[in-house]
Amino acid sequence: DAGITQSPRYKITETGRQVTLMCHQTWSHSYMFWYRQDLGHGLRLIYYSAAADITDKGEVPDGYVVSRSKTENFPLTLESATRSQTSVYFCASSESPGGWETQYFGPGTRLLVL
Amino acid sequence: QKEVEQNSGPLSVPEGAIASLNCTYSDRGSQSFFWYRQYSGKSPELIMFIYSNGDKEDGRFTAQLNKASQYVSLLIRDSQPSDSATYLCAVLRSSASKIIFGSGTRLSIRP
Repeated sequence: DAGITQSPRYKITETGRQVTLMCHQTWSHSYMFWYRQDLGHGLRLIYYSAAADITDKGEVPDGYVVSRSKTENFPLTLESATRSQTSVYFCASSESPGGWETQYFGPGTRLLVL
Repeated sequence: QKEVEQNSGPLSVPEGAIASLNCTYSDRGSQSFFWYRQYSGKSPELIMFIYSNGDKEDGRFTAQLNKASQYVSLLIRDSQPSDSATYLCAVLRSSASKIIFGSGTRLSIRP
């Protein structure tokens, strides 16, 4: 199906484990983004990418790693999960100039770190 | 002080009335402003964006921007129960091209 998908939709892991959240879009949008959403904080930008092999830090990048070897995929890795990384993670994509307008969000991944 | 501030609500508005949602921001050089709607358990979706001072209308929605007062608002006319959601204000910083979201205002339209 066309659009933007995220997997897994739900994940429970333990402190210290590595976790990778997947994001895939079929529009060939240049820009892709990762956000986390916590109660009282709204959405916070973790990393974004303007094109394959081009990534940049957002507001809260510590503890996260991204890569973008293909335009359609933008995985987010938590190298050593901590309880404070329990959150809902949203991936988004955009083809707007600069990338910031008209972002299309995926359905989200709910991550619980025990 | 948060960079983007919104009243968390809930804001309760009768059906058919005008809902007014407000947002203030601290970066005076910010250029772009966005309103997203998010239903419970769902992902955000863009409603409107605005760049220039004044009003921008799209159907029942009007975004208002006042850069001098560092204030952006969203008006929803003829409010419907389907407008019940959390509304997120977002601001694109003038430097470093980073977008900052407010924590959202929960709107409830009562029949």
